[in-house]
Amino acid sequence: AQSVTQLDSQVPVFEEAPVELRCNYSSSVSVYLFWYVQYPNQGLQLLLKYLSGSTLVKGINGFEAEFNKSQTSFHLRKPSVHISDTAEYFCAVSWGSNYKLTFGKGTLLTVNP
Amino acid sequence: DVKVTQSSRYLVKRTGEKVFLECVQDMDHENMFWYRQDPGLGLRLIYFSYDVKMKEKGDIPEGYSVSREKKERFSLILESASTNQTSMYLCASSSYRRSVEERGYGYTFGSGTRLTVV
Repeated sequence: AQSVTQLDSQVPVFEEAPVELRCNYSSSVSVYLFWYVQYPNQGLQLLLKYLSGSTLVKGINGFEAEFNKSQTSFHLRKPSVHISDTAEYFCAVSWGSNYKLTFGKGTLLTVNP
Repeated sequence: DVKVTQSSRYLVKRTGEKVFLECVQDMDHENMFWYRQDPGLGLRLIYFSYDVKMKEKGDIPEGYSVSREKKERFSLILESASTNQTSMYLCASSSYRRSVEERGYGYTFGSGTRLTVV
C-alpha cells in the first residue's frame, strides 16, 4: 500500500533558526505532492504543492520544499522561523490519476523565543 | 472567498445519541471527504463521495455513515455515538478534473468540528 512518512512527530526550534520538516513517500510513479499547515483549532491550509516542472517549490510564509524523485522525498524548509510558524504540518501525496490524498501523521513545529 | 463550512465548531453529545455533522462547500466540487484527526494518528479517512448519492468507505468507516443528497452538502452521521468517537472531524472538498493544474489545488478544508461524547 502507498504510504507517506513524516519522520519527526515534533520539532522544537528557536526563533530565527532554520528548520527542515521531512517527508518520504512509498512510490515515485507520477506523484503530486502537498504540504498543509494547521494552526491551533483550525482546519488545514495549503502551504505549497508540487505538480510538475521545477523541483524546488516556493509557498506562502517563506516556506519552500524540494521534490527528490530518487529519494522519494519532499522535505519542507524555512531559512528563519518565527513564533507565528508554530503549528502542525502535514505532508500529503496523490498518486497518478487517483484524486485522493494520503496524509502523513503530521509534524508539530514549536518555535521558542 | 470560496470555502468549506462545517456547521458546528464544538459539539457535546451523550453516548448513544445519533449525531449529524454537516459540511457545505460553495466551489462546485465533485469530491467531498470526511476525516477524523486524533493526536499521533494524523488524519484518517472515514468516508468520501465523488458525486451526488455516491459514497465510498475510507479507512475507518465503522460506526459512521454519510449522506450526499446535493452536490454542495456532505453529512457525516454517527449512528450511536460512543466515547471513542470523541475527536476532531474535518471535512474537505476537491475538484476532479483531467487537467493536473485544475486538480492541483488539492483539498480545501473546513475549520473542523471538535466532538466530545460523554
